[in-house]
Amino acid sequence: AQTVTQSQPEMSVQEAETVTLSCTYDTSESDYYLFWYKQPPSRQMILVIRQEAYKQQNATENRFSVNFQKAAKSFSLKISDSQLGDAAMYFCAYRSSDGNQFYFGTGTSLTVIP
Amino acid sequence: DARVTQTPRHKVTEMGQEVTMRCQPILGHNTVFWYRQTMMQGLELLAYFRNRAPLDDSGMPKDRFSAEMPDATLATLKIQPSEPRDSAVYFCASGPQGCSYEQYFGPGTRLTVT
Repeated sequence: AQTVTQSQPEMSVQEAETVTLSCTYDTSESDYYLFWYKQPPSRQMILVIRQEAYKQQNATENRFSVNFQKAAKSFSLKISDSQLGDAAMYFCAYRSSDGNQFYFGTGTSLTVIP
Repeated sequence: DARVTQTPRHKVTEMGQEVTMRCQPILGHNTVFWYRQTMMQGLELLAYFRNRAPLDDSGMPKDRFSAEMPDATLATLKIQPSEPRDSAVYFCASGPQGCSYEQYFGPGTRLTVT
């Protein structure tokens, strides 16, 4: 069965610094999708970034980028120039290629220190 | 600004009562997901619809939970009878047709069963 593991329950970063959130997953599929979602105190789940497994190039969205290591089944999120508004719970998620299976990690709570 | 809407935002009810949560997916989206979020279990997928047909509801307790899509603009999740262990935040998410496999989450319904 597919599982998603986030081994860091909590992380903190100084404002303007860079932080990396870890995620590993387990799957027997060769094609799938990986996501990072942000959940601020408002509880709204917001898509941060997406990676297709067939793409070797790491996805980037402004200050957010991923380090996708397919062989290692690792999908970390790097936040550069951290801002106070980045403080939130971050969830790593896996979706199967047929779209029928979707799994979330347990989340990492990110604190941004002014 | 298209958004997934959920009603009610908060619900407090007594054990044994019926609870109905509603979701209006983004217009044009053909996939709808129901999730439950708790501190202990994290985000759990309860049910998944594509083109209004249920594709997967294996994560849902069948004896008390039911999910339906009466039409393309409304998805419902019912709990009857409710129990204190059902207390959680219930999220609805919708996704567009095609290969993006992205999900857009609603604001959630916080359910408290006393």
